[in-house]
Amino acid sequence: KQEVTQIPAALSVPEGENLVLNCSFTDSAIYNLQWFRQDPGKGLTSLLLIQSSQREQTSGRLNASLDKSSGRSTLYIAASQPGDSATYLCAVSEGKLIFGQGTTLQVKP
Amino acid sequence: DAMVIQNPRYQVTQFGKPVTLSCSQTLNHNVMYWYQQKSSQAPKLLFHYYDKDFNNEADTPDNFQSRRPNTSFCFLDIRSPGLGDAAMYLCATSRVAGGSSTDTQYFGPGTRLTVL
Repeated sequence: KQEVTQIPAALSVPEGENLVLNCSFTDSAIYNLQWFRQDPGKGLTSLLLIQSSQREQTSGRLNASLDKSSGRSTLYIAASQPGDSATYLCAVSEGKLIFGQGTTLQVKP
Repeated sequence: DAMVIQNPRYQVTQFGKPVTLSCSQTLNHNVMYWYQQKSSQAPKLLFHYYDKDFNNEADTPDNFQSRRPNTSFCFLDIRSPGLGDAAMYLCATSRVAGGSSTDTQYFGPGTRLTVL
């Protein structure tokens, strides 16, 4: 059974810092891995999708990597801003999405 | 423009009183999903429709049912809500059902259900 784990559960950083969020999964037979952002009380916004054959994807200040063999993905956020404060969820697709529990990020001004 | 719309955004119901949550989409996607997300937990898939084909997750309680009358709309019916059903309910759509390396899901804003 696929399990997705995100560490840390919460993270607080000063504005301007570069940071890395971690996601691990137990079964490498995935179609893709996606990172989502969720603001309090809101739905999910897709940030990046990495196909199983890809190693990384970039969008603006965000860079996501995927290492299927080790069952790991990272989301790198450069030059963090207070507006980046949210919960970040990773999810693997194996015919359906299996989510991690998320990392709640707070960026302090 | 909103692509996945959920109504209402907040729903309060009484213990045991049936409630229906609504989802509509303007993306013309084949697949629609319903997730339950309890506080500080990961979203959990309840079921999905591929066109008119209904796919129920094995551990979804019988208390939860769904209808998809057309491509654009999908409803979540909770027949007899219990206190444990209080959660955020998320609707999502995708072009194809799982198994694609390139497809992503688009989520609505969610409906927060309170059970009194």
